[in-house]
Amino acid sequence: AQSVTQPDIHITVSEGASLELRCNYSYGATPYLFWYVQSPGQGLQLLLKYFSGDTLVQGIKGFEAEFKRSQSSFNLRKPSVHWSDAAEYFCAVGASGGYNKLIFGAGTRLAVHP
Amino acid sequence: EAQVTQNPRYLITVTGKKLTVTCSQNMNHEYMSWYRQDPGLGLRQIYYSMNVEVTDKGDVPEGYKVSRKEKRNFPLILESPSPNQTSLYFCASSLLGSFSNQPQHFGDGTRLSIL
Repeated sequence: AQSVTQPDIHITVSEGASLELRCNYSYGATPYLFWYVQSPGQGLQLLLKYFSGDTLVQGIKGFEAEFKRSQSSFNLRKPSVHWSDAAEYFCAVGASGGYNKLIFGAGTRLAVHP
Repeated sequence: EAQVTQNPRYLITVTGKKLTVTCSQNMNHEYMSWYRQDPGLGLRQIYYSMNVEVTDKGDVPEGYKVSRKEKRNFPLILESPSPNQTSLYFCASSLLGSFSNQPQHFGDGTRLSIL
């Protein structure tokens, strides 16, 4: 069965520091992979997605993610974090079955210290 | 503005009292879906709809009903709510029922508390 693991429940970084959020997936074929961000009281906003092609994907708000098939990983990175990046981040894999279903990880809550 | 609108945003109610959470999208999307979000579990799909009059169960459908009589609306119905349905609920829509470059759009969520 498809699954997504986000090993870090909470992460705290200082403003201006670099960030990496980990995501590992379990999927039999080439996956569709996504990162979403959820700000307090808001819905989910798509940061970036990987379908195929270049394994380094650029997203909005200065985020990028790298697909590594050998490690079954899709880690999210940002070189310099801003206080407004404090939010919860979800990694998701597109499930097989021919319809638009997402399997989400449990999420990583990011806190940013000034 | 393209959006998915859920109502109500917050609701506190009691066990057994039927409730409906509405979801409406203005993007003419074919695919709509309901998720619930619980701490430590992420989002799990409850039901989805590929188009009008076409609905199917997701991973956690027990205790919920849905309908899709119109393309824009996809209400979530709790016929007899129980405390284990206390959760944060999200409605989502996308242009197509299969993965494409069109992303899923999410509503702002509905926080339900069942006492």
